[in-house]
Amino acid sequence: GEDVEQSLFLSVREGDSSVINCTYTDSSSTYLYWYKQEPGAGLQLLTYIFSNMDMKQDQRLTVLLNKKDKHLSLRIADTQTGDSAIYFCAESYENNNDMRFGAGTRLTVKP
Amino acid sequence: DAGVIQSPRHEVTEMGQEVTLRCKPISGHNSLFWYRQTMMRGLELLIYFNNNVPIDDSGMPEDRFSAKMPNASFSTLKIQPSEPRDSAVYFCASSLTGQPQHFGDGTRLSIL
Repeated sequence: GEDVEQSLFLSVREGDSSVINCTYTDSSSTYLYWYKQEPGAGLQLLTYIFSNMDMKQDQRLTVLLNKKDKHLSLRIADTQTGDSAIYFCAESYENNNDMRFGAGTRLTVKP
Repeated sequence: DAGVIQSPRHEVTEMGQEVTLRCKPISGHNSLFWYRQTMMRGLELLIYFNNNVPIDDSGMPEDRFSAKMPNASFSTLKIQPSEPRDSAVYFCASSLTGQPQHFGDGTRLSIL
């Protein structure tokens, strides 16, 4: 099965908060990432967190890491229509050369 | 700063033809990665280079695929002969050791 699992779809209303969840299996992972992919574009690094952290906040984005449950989440506050995209969770070891991606969550923001 | 630059952005060709995809990594990055993205299989790592040397090519589908990195600022991914099942979006990414990977905008490849 997948090393990194995400739900495939999420739909929210503009202004609401979005929470995208991810589970991973490798407890040796050192870095956990969130990438955003808009139509016709590559993956854009949104944020990442070291495995020794529980939380990281960057403007409207909050990343929570529960290492015991191997659960990572991305919360987007005040979601806008421009946030509509596919969001990928990924994990890697220390050298970042071996990244394992989830299948991506398609976020749809309705006006 | 310029990001990872890939060319062409789109390629449509007939099966049996040779296809060459190109990538210019971010200046100063020492690792380069080639990925393939399809609806069915998601994002797959094909091969990666470190300091221009191929390190892991276990993701390359078969002998029809080859990749080179002749210098620190250029890499190619070649498919010869191409087949319809090779149709996908191919991404190049680069990084500095220990830092996150940065992706190009991809090449959308259609093999007829």
